[in-house]
Amino acid sequence: AQKITQTQPGMFVQEKEAVTLDCTYDTSDQSYGLFWYKQPSSGEMIFLIYQGSYDEQNATEGRYSLNFQKARKSANLVISASQLGDSAMYFCAMRDLNTGGFKTIFGAGTRLFVKA
Amino acid sequence: DVKVTQSSRYLVKRTGEKVFLECVQDMDHENMFWYRQDPGLGLRLIYFSYDVKMKEKGDIPEGYSVSREKKERFSLILESASTNQTSMYLCASSLLTTGGAGNTIYFGEGSWLTVV
Repeated sequence: AQKITQTQPGMFVQEKEAVTLDCTYDTSDQSYGLFWYKQPSSGEMIFLIYQGSYDEQNATEGRYSLNFQKARKSANLVISASQLGDSAMYFCAMRDLNTGGFKTIFGAGTRLFVKA
Repeated sequence: DVKVTQSSRYLVKRTGEKVFLECVQDMDHENMFWYRQDPGLGLRLIYFSYDVKMKEKGDIPEGYSVSREKKERFSLILESASTNQTSMYLCASSLLTTGGAGNTIYFGEGSWLTVV
């Protein structure tokens, strides 16, 4: 069965420093997509970054990058130069592409606190 | 921009009431989803739909039903609300595709339901 594990319930980082949020996944499928979402206290889920299982390069979107290590089944999110507005919940997610991609499963989330 | 709109942001209902949560998306997406979010559990899929009048059970369908009469609208129904259904409910939509970041699902702002 597919599973997403985020082992850090909470993380603290100093403003302007980089932070890595961990995500490991379990799947027997060869074709899948990995996502990170940000959820501020207001509740909306904001899509941050996507990595396909066959993508050879790590995805980057501005200050966000995804450290994809396929053999270790990890997809860690790296936020560079943290800002106070980065304080939020962060969810790692996976979607199996072989079944038509209907289901996306989520980890339990990591709450990030950025200190001034 | 993709817009997923949930009709009610905050609701308080009594035990045993029938509750309707409405969701509309404006991007002609085939897939629509209802998730429930609880602290420490992440997002859990209740139901999803890949076409009008089609529905599939997710991981926690008990106590819920759904309706999709039009492509843009997906409703979640609690037939007889119970206190253990107090939660945050998130509607989402996505394209029916297996290609790259097109798999991304987009969320509404969430509906906070309290059952007393």
